[in-house]
Amino acid sequence: EDQVTQSPEALRLQEGESSSLNCSYTVSGLRGLFWYRQDPGKGPEFLFTLYSAGEEKEKERLKATLTKKESFLHITAPKPEDSATYLCAVDPTPSGTYKYIFGTGTRLKVLA
Amino acid sequence: NAGVMQNPRHLVRRRGQEARLRCSPMKGHSHVYWYRQLPEEGLKFMVYLQKENIIDESGMPKERFSAEFPKEGPSILRIQQVVRGDSAAYFCASSRRTTYTGSSGNTIYFGEGSWLTVV
Repeated sequence: EDQVTQSPEALRLQEGESSSLNCSYTVSGLRGLFWYRQDPGKGPEFLFTLYSAGEEKEKERLKATLTKKESFLHITAPKPEDSATYLCAVDPTPSGTYKYIFGTGTRLKVLA
Repeated sequence: NAGVMQNPRHLVRRRGQEARLRCSPMKGHSHVYWYRQLPEEGLKFMVYLQKENIIDESGMPKERFSAEFPKEGPSILRIQQVVRGDSAAYFCASSRRTTYTGSSGNTIYFGEGSWLTVV
């Protein structure tokens, strides 16, 4: 069964304390892996799309990497405004119908 | 999230009433998806639509739930005879295409969601 697992469930960091969030997946065929950020009461905000092992994407303090079994979201020198839930999703559908499988997210809290 | 418009943002319904959630995709997007987020659970795919066609509704409950995306106007997710278990956040998303191209053109973008509370 296709599955996405995110860890840790929750993470508290001091401002400036770098860390990584993990997304491990087991799917029959990966068509894409996606990272989203979700603030309370809001919809998921797109961050990155990764398609193949070895691929990396960066945006400000965030860097996403992909291997054949997992993805990492590295947060460098985080700020309080980076506090949010970070969601990982995979699209395993060969036909590309976008039945994304989401993990339950990592709730990140960055303390000033 | 800019571009995918959902309304209402919050909706309260009594058990047995109907809920209608509306979604207008981003400009230039012709593919619409509905996802549901239950408390403490991940987002779950419900249905994928194009104009006047339901492409994949495998994630949608067989009874009481229906979706449409008419030629004119927004996509609508309809829940008849709501029950307390329907209380959730319902997210609409859209994309330009579904074909795998290796670019971000087939990424889906979400709206702000409609929070349904059944009392």
